[in-house]
Amino acid sequence: GENVEQHPSTLSVQEGDSAVIKCTYSDSASNYFPWYKQELGKRPQLIIDIRSNVGEKKDQRIAVTLNKTAKHFSLHITETQPEDSAVYFCAASKGGGGNKLTFGTGTQLKVEL
Amino acid sequence: GAGVSQSPRYKVAKRGQDVALRCDPISGHVSLFWYQQALGQGPEFLTYFQNEAQLDKSGLPSDRFFAERPEGSVSTLKIQRTQQEDSAVYLCASSLVDEQYFGPGTRLTVT
Repeated sequence: GENVEQHPSTLSVQEGDSAVIKCTYSDSASNYFPWYKQELGKRPQLIIDIRSNVGEKKDQRIAVTLNKTAKHFSLHITETQPEDSAVYFCAASKGGGGNKLTFGTGTQLKVEL
Repeated sequence: GAGVSQSPRYKVAKRGQDVALRCDPISGHVSLFWYQQALGQGPEFLTYFQNEAQLDKSGLPSDRFFAERPEGSVSTLKIQRTQQEDSAVYLCASSLVDEQYFGPGTRLTVT
C-alpha cells in the first residue's frame, strides 16, 4: 500500500520567514495530494491540495509543488505569522472519490515572534 | 454551512465496555470515512462508506470494531470490549469527490 514520509518533524521559524515541509510517497497510482493544518485539540483543516496533472498551486501565502517523477510534494508558507503555528499533515490518495487518505507523520510548525 | 459533527466529543470507558461513536456528515456527501489518530501521529484509515454501502473496511484493527451507515447519512463506529490500545481520537470525514472534510473527533480514553 501507499507510504507517505514527511520531513521535518518539527520546524521553528521567525515571524515573516518562509517555511517548507516536504513529503514523499511510494505509490505511483496516487494522484491527489492534500495538506491539512491541525491545531491542538482541533479537527484537521484542509488548507490546499494538488492533483497530479498540475505541478504547482498557490493560494495567497501558501503554495504546493508536486514532482510526480520523483514522487515528492512540498508545502511552502511565505511571510509566516504566529497563527500559522500548528501541526501540518501531508496526505496522498488515488483520488476519484472514495479513496482513503494516507497521511504523513506531521510537522509541528512554530512561528516565533 | 454546517460541517461534519461528531458526538460525543470525549468518552471515557472502562476496559471491556462497549462504546458507540456518532458521525453526522455534511449534507449530500456520498462518501464517509473513519480514521483513528493516535497521539502525535497522523490519522490512519479505518473504513469507508459510499452511501450506505461499506466498501472498504481494511483498516479496522480487529473484529471488535464495527461501523454502519444504514440510511446513507449518519454513521456509527462501535467498539466492543474496549482495550487500552483503543485509546485515540476517532475522526470522521465526508466528501463529494476528492476533498475530505473532517469532524472534530471523539477522544476515547480507555481506563
